[in-house]
Amino acid sequence: QVHLQESGPGLVKPAETLSLTCNVSGLFITDGYYWGWVRQPPGKGLEWIGSFHHERGTFYNPSLKSRVTISKDSSANQFFLIFGSVAATDTAVYYCVKSVVDQSSGYFDWGQGILVTVAS
Amino acid sequence: SYELTQPPSVSVSPRQTANITCSGQRLGRQFISWYRQLPGQSPVLLIYHDDQRPTGISERFSGSRSETTATLTISETQTVDDGDYYCQCWGANADGVFGPGTTVSVL
Repeated sequence: QVHLQESGPGLVKPAETLSLTCNVSGLFITDGYYWGWVRQPPGKGLEWIGSFHHERGTFYNPSLKSRVTISKDSSANQFFLIFGSVAATDTAVYYCVKSVVDQSSGYFDWGQGILVTVAS
Repeated sequence: SYELTQPPSVSVSPRQTANITCSGQRLGRQFISWYRQLPGQSPVLLIYHDDQRPTGISERFSGSRSETTATLTISETQTVDDGDYYCQCWGANADGVFGPGTTVSVL
């Protein structure tokens, strides 16, 4: 059974860069599937950030694409979210996720989420 | 990207059927997923590829769709079905936009 765990700072200053790590166990990120990030501001809805497949490329939410990079370290079975020039509106719980099958199948596996607050 | 529309709330009596809609002008042939989220918890996938249930999801949850509207149906509702329900649509550019969410109350 796959397990995803987010880690990173809980507080980031405005205009700085947010970096999060998703540690994956129980499956290799090179075994197929799409892996990605979803966020949820406090009291609000879900927002898809982006996802990747180790062979088919990386896909981003068009509204966030200019500030977001998703990368991976296959040897460590981890993937990362790099979010630049953050503002208070980027305060959210960030989840790492894994698809059921293909990109359009939605996300069956979720991490517990990590709350990131953007404040000075 | 595009926007999806969901009713803000749906109320239903126990053992009745709840229908939650997700509409979008460009749903077209794009696949729909449905999730439920309880307070303080990660979302749970209920339906993918419009009408497929993942392993372990109750048969009381079913999905259907037309050209512009997808529907999540919860049959024989129970108080444990309370929560926030989100649809997700996968666009032509593989971007997975979420609907705004529907709060279901089984009263």
